[in-house]
Amino acid sequence: TQLLEQSPQFLSIQEGENLTVYCNSSSVFSSLQWYRQEPGEGPVLLVTVVTGGEVKKLKRLTFQFGDARKDSSLHITAAQPGDTGLYLCAGLSYNQGGKLIFGQGTELSVKP
Amino acid sequence: DVKVTQSSRYLVKRTGEKVFLECVQDMDHENMFWYRQDPGLGLRLIYFSYDVKMKEKGDIPEGYSVSREKKERFSLILESASTNQTSMYLCASSLSAGELFFGEGSRLTVL
Repeated sequence: TQLLEQSPQFLSIQEGENLTVYCNSSSVFSSLQWYRQEPGEGPVLLVTVVTGGEVKKLKRLTFQFGDARKDSSLHITAAQPGDTGLYLCAGLSYNQGGKLIFGQGTELSVKP
Repeated sequence: DVKVTQSSRYLVKRTGEKVFLECVQDMDHENMFWYRQDPGLGLRLIYFSYDVKMKEKGDIPEGYSVSREKKERFSLILESASTNQTSMYLCASSLSAGELFFGEGSRLTVL
């Protein structure tokens, strides 16, 4: 069974700080997605990375896919209270019949 | 916008009761999924379906069944609810092996 290890599980920071969330696996993924989930809502897709070494930016969020397509990171610059939520990485593996494998999630709290 | 609607946001049931969780999507997506979300465990796939009347077991199908009689509707059934099935249930749909569109979730408590 393929696993995605996400770290840290919890992160509490002050507004304006930077942070990085990691998603690691020993397996190769065809692509990797990042979702954000706010309380009482379902997850919403932020970005999909497909190519090894790919970097995508979404305003203050920077996503990177590892060269070997086994890991990914999410970096937030100058975090704001509106960034608070649960961040989930999900890898797409054709070895698993095209199913998404989810990490455990990172609970981010940004205090004003 | 894609909309995935789950019929109940909050349910409280007793041990042994039969529970139906309904999910409807309005974007003609082929694929539909049921996940269970528990703190520290992420999302775990219960069942999925790539077509009408088709169903496949996910990673944790025990204690659950599903029904897909129409393309837009995917139901999750707990034949005899147990306390360890207390959880958040998320339905999702997708057009292909890509972005999942999730409903708002159904929080089930089994007493």
